[in-house]
Amino acid sequence: ETGVTQSPTHLIKTRGQQVTLRCSSQSGHNTVSWYQQALGQGPQFIFQYYREEENGRGNFPPRFSGLQFPNYSSELNVNALELDDSALYLCASSLDGSYNSPLHFGNGTRLTVT
Amino acid sequence: TQLLEQSPQFLSIQEGENLTVYCNSSSVFSSLQWYRQEPGEGPVLLVTVVTGGEVKKLKRLTFQFGDARKDSSLHITAAQPGDTGLYLCAGAETNAGKSTFGDGTTLTVKP
Repeated sequence: ETGVTQSPTHLIKTRGQQVTLRCSSQSGHNTVSWYQQALGQGPQFIFQYYREEENGRGNFPPRFSGLQFPNYSSELNVNALELDDSALYLCASSLDGSYNSPLHFGNGTRLTVT
Repeated sequence: TQLLEQSPQFLSIQEGENLTVYCNSSSVFSSLQWYRQEPGEGPVLLVTVVTGGEVKKLKRLTFQFGDARKDSSLHITAAQPGDTGLYLCAGAETNAGKSTFGDGTTLTVKP
């Protein structure tokens, strides 16, 4: 069973640029959630995708967008990067997104915006 | 906005000691999860509790969900250096993928 994999592991971008982060969900999982974890804080929910449709969004501006593909892998896109976007971006997949469906996290992408 | 407050923020103890960390909220959750996160890695699920008053044990770890499903505690007996890490609690209303996380308790267990 392959776990959740994220790429790249580290990324450095300049303010104003755009970035795309990728996530492959665990085999058999159709739901992917993205979280932002700033240094010293817990993860914050960005949005969730269920069967290729956005299924809920946290308190993040529209320049954070995403996609889910037919194989349930997912992308997170961030436009017009700001310094405060520097964080660990975590992807988590679950079997069906129900309240007790365990989340399986990848090891994240560390984004640094300079 | 739902908030989960974890305490203490930092905890440093000697191997063999017992400890309890807390997760409190003013909101009711359908389920609450505890995760452990190590540097450079994503959180790893330890347990999910769903019923008010529920107690779950995982070896030396005991998790309790409050009767009103607003708070939880994690008790570790005879802590070991391998228990070192960031312990996060997360509450879910209807969908675990949209969980609200606390800011965690950083535990250091010294040999």
